[in-house]
Amino acid sequence: DGGITQSPKYLFRKEGQNVTLSCEQNLNHDAMYWYRQDPGQGLRLIYYSQIVNDFQKGDIAEGYSVSREKKESFPLTVTSAQKNPTAFYLCASSVRGSPLHFGNGTRLTVT
Amino acid sequence: AQSVTQLGSHVSVSEGALVLLRCNYSSSVPPYLFWYVQYPNQGLQLLLKYTSAATLVKGINGFEAEFKKSETSFHLTKPSAHMSDAAEYFCAVSDRDSWGKLQFGAGTQVVVTP
Repeated sequence: DGGITQSPKYLFRKEGQNVTLSCEQNLNHDAMYWYRQDPGQGLRLIYYSQIVNDFQKGDIAEGYSVSREKKESFPLTVTSAQKNPTAFYLCASSVRGSPLHFGNGTRLTVT
Repeated sequence: AQSVTQLGSHVSVSEGALVLLRCNYSSSVPPYLFWYVQYPNQGLQLLLKYTSAATLVKGINGFEAEFKKSETSFHLTKPSAHMSDAAEYFCAVSDRDSWGKLQFGAGTQVVVTP
């Protein structure tokens, strides 16, 4: 079955460490997105990529970095510069004209 | 930039009663509008979308939403709530030239009581 795989489901890190969240899709979608979810705030866009080797900042890109070396993969690195990294992170993909398809998320806890 | 307001962070409904979740957007140009549902510790699943066709949109699981330009609203309804409808619901909007860049509302948690 086609879909988006986010791994791991739960991730724990110490403050000051960088951490990379994985997102892989086999839907052959061109565009991929990273959203952050906090309780009571809905989802906010971190980064998005519409084509391989190109990506743009979303609304809350500070403290995050991404790469898009392959169509299927869009990893997100949460750097030590992110002030409040503890959150639920959702990856999504789409083709133009079709709604976003979401993965099941990674819950990151930084202590 | 687009914004979305969902009225009510928590809604409690009785099983079999009407479900009504409110969503208002801010735009002078009709955007694309979406309703998503999220179950605990899972991703979002699309319920329905409005992209400029019929103003009354039917989705999955018996949900529907009506686009009202004059009220800048896109409220979600279901005539008869089921226990399985307990979840969090998000309204989202995107500009017509920014497909995929969604602005989400804060979400409404639905509790269904027997």
